[in-house]
Amino acid sequence: QVLLQDSGPGLVKPSETLSLTCTVSGAFVSSSSSYYWVWIRQPPGKGLEWIGSLHDNGGIYFDPSLKGRLTISLDTSRTQFSLKLTSVTDADTAVYYCAAYFCTTITCRLDPWGQGTLVTVSS
Amino acid sequence: VLTQSPGTLSLSPGDRATLSCRASQSVSSAYFVWYQQKCGQAPRVLIYGASIRATGIPDRFSGSGSGTDFTLTVTRLEPEDFAVYYCQWYGGTPLYTFGQGTKLEMK
Repeated sequence: QVLLQDSGPGLVKPSETLSLTCTVSGAFVSSSSSYYWVWIRQPPGKGLEWIGSLHDNGGIYFDPSLKGRLTISLDTSRTQFSLKLTSVTDADTAVYYCAAYFCTTITCRLDPWGQGTLVTVSS
Repeated sequence: VLTQSPGTLSLSPGDRATLSCRASQSVSSAYFVWYQQKCGQAPRVLIYGASIRATGIPDRFSGSGSGTDFTLTVTRLEPEDFAVYYCQWYGGTPLYTFGQGTKLEMK
């Protein structure tokens, strides 16, 4: 059974870098696994927003509005993947979720999800 | 773009709920998913492949549709079903597109 746990600081100052880690158990985190590794965020009181993901072809994909500020990487231990978002503003305040996009031969879905980390951007 | 309707649905336990998700372009059912999110929790998969119930999901939940119109139906609402529901599709722009959500609230 694959489980995800996201972690990181809950408070980041404006203009600084937000860093989060997702620890995966039950599967190897690699660019050639059966899963895509995904970051999603949810601003307070709002809906879900995809922000970036790492796919099995080694490709890293970002929401265009965040491109240039966002880095997604794999840990060499193959048990974690990380997100770094630079130059944060109030608009980046959100609950950040990591998730695995799991595909069978016929369907795909985001499952499982981490528990979510609330990150507040404030001085 | 995925557009969910209604934005809020006020019903009572025992009622039938019908939630809609409309895509701005035809989408593959294989990549169409419904999630449920309760307050303070991460979303969880209810229906994937447009109509396949995820493991452990009660049979009062069902999904249907294809192309641009998809529906999530909950027959005989239970108190624990009152939550926010999101539809999601993979393959458009952005790559993982979510609807804005339907809040199912108790009347």
